[in-house]
Amino acid sequence: GAVVSQHPSRVICKSGTSVKIECRSLDFQATTMFWYRQFPKKSLMLMATSNEGSKATYEQGVEKDKFLINHASLTLSTLTVTSAHPEDSSFYICSASTGLRAWETQYFGPGTRLLVL
Amino acid sequence: EDQVTQSPEALRLQEGESSSLNCSYTVSGLRGLFWYRQDPGKGPEFLFTLYSAGEEKEKERLKATLTKKESFLHITAPKPEDSATYLCAVQATGATNKLIFGTGTLLAVQP
Repeated sequence: GAVVSQHPSRVICKSGTSVKIECRSLDFQATTMFWYRQFPKKSLMLMATSNEGSKATYEQGVEKDKFLINHASLTLSTLTVTSAHPEDSSFYICSASTGLRAWETQYFGPGTRLLVL
Repeated sequence: EDQVTQSPEALRLQEGESSSLNCSYTVSGLRGLFWYRQDPGKGPEFLFTLYSAGEEKEKERLKATLTKKESFLHITAPKPEDSATYLCAVQATGATNKLIFGTGTLLAVQP
């Protein structure tokens, strides 16, 4: 149980375009989902916390107008990287919490590798 | 400031050679400590959650322990398939549900 999927697994886009990444909890309802970014040989950095039906909470230094997050249902959250630039190239990973309490164990998706040319 | 430090950065073991990975943490109040395994190009895979000092959890060749300042991930008789990066994360008490990750230990088990 507690399976989280992401789509696409890999995407290459041109500079200036927008890219949407989907995160789905497949076998449970996730009140809270999280979006992380990971650079090579670095740890995961939380970008934002997304609660179903409400606005996402962004971490300090993360541009909310650039990284649009929508959590439309209890099983789906999306991250849209708007007007992507090469410096946005990274590994984006989502996670979902199984319980009503968001601080319970988070289960992670397989990640999305974004390359902006 | 809440902080997590993992050591060593990298560890190379022979198959069957037991060892331990360390996770030291500094938080205002610990809500939970988490261990994950991450394979290259994949998302982290959940291993354990520890909530209070003295708690221990086991899964196959892995055993996680927790004190008030650190956690250890003991690997007994490792196999090549245990090769991965092991991540430690803490969640502090307070208003946020943020996980603070360490930079991980890259484990390589040679046959």
